[in-house]
Amino acid sequence: EAQVTQNPRYLITVTGKKLTVTCSQNMNHEYMSWYRQDPGLGLRQIYYSMNVEVTDKGDVPEGYKVSRKEKRNFPLILESPSPNQTSLYFCASTPSPLGAYEQYFGPGTRLTVT
Amino acid sequence: EDQVTQSPEALRLQEGESSSLNCSYTVSGLRGLFWYRQDPGKGPEFLFTLYSAGEEKEKERLKATLTKKESFLHITAPKPEDSATYLCAVQIIYNYGQNFVFGPGTRLSVLP
Repeated sequence: EAQVTQNPRYLITVTGKKLTVTCSQNMNHEYMSWYRQDPGLGLRQIYYSMNVEVTDKGDVPEGYKVSRKEKRNFPLILESPSPNQTSLYFCASTPSPLGAYEQYFGPGTRLTVT
Repeated sequence: EDQVTQSPEALRLQEGESSSLNCSYTVSGLRGLFWYRQDPGKGPEFLFTLYSAGEEKEKERLKATLTKKESFLHITAPKPEDSATYLCAVQIIYNYGQNFVFGPGTRLSVLP
């Protein structure tokens, strides 16, 4: 089954404790991205990747890091989480950075930072 | 600044009561406009892509249309299972790549 998976689905952590949220897709998609979703603000892009080893900042990149060492995986790293990063996070992929393709979204990761 | 707005913020309909949701955008370099449906606690699910003004797409009780500055999602004779948040997104092309900008969504409730 074609899908985007994220782990963990739920995470409660404390300020400053480094964490990684994994994202994997099995569709051989080139383009992957991370979003956060907050009430009233909608989905905001954090980082995106056009292909392996090619990443760039989205609209709200502060406090986050990403890497793209393999085509299928695009982990989101929070080096020192803070309470304002409490949010619902989605990973998404699309076949190519060229052309207008829809995005396939993962199930989401609900992060709480205390 | 590239911006996407949606109205209304929330909409309550009786089953069978048709209505429209609006998505307005001010962007440069538009490549495509997308509509998604999102159920609570789940990832957005793709509905339509529209590429150019005048284009229309239909799927069951939903029809999406596009003008130069806005898109409408028309819901005909909705059922309770159509209750969800509907998101609009635009794909913007820059010299260095592309970006997706989402609107805040319209939360639709269809009452039996």
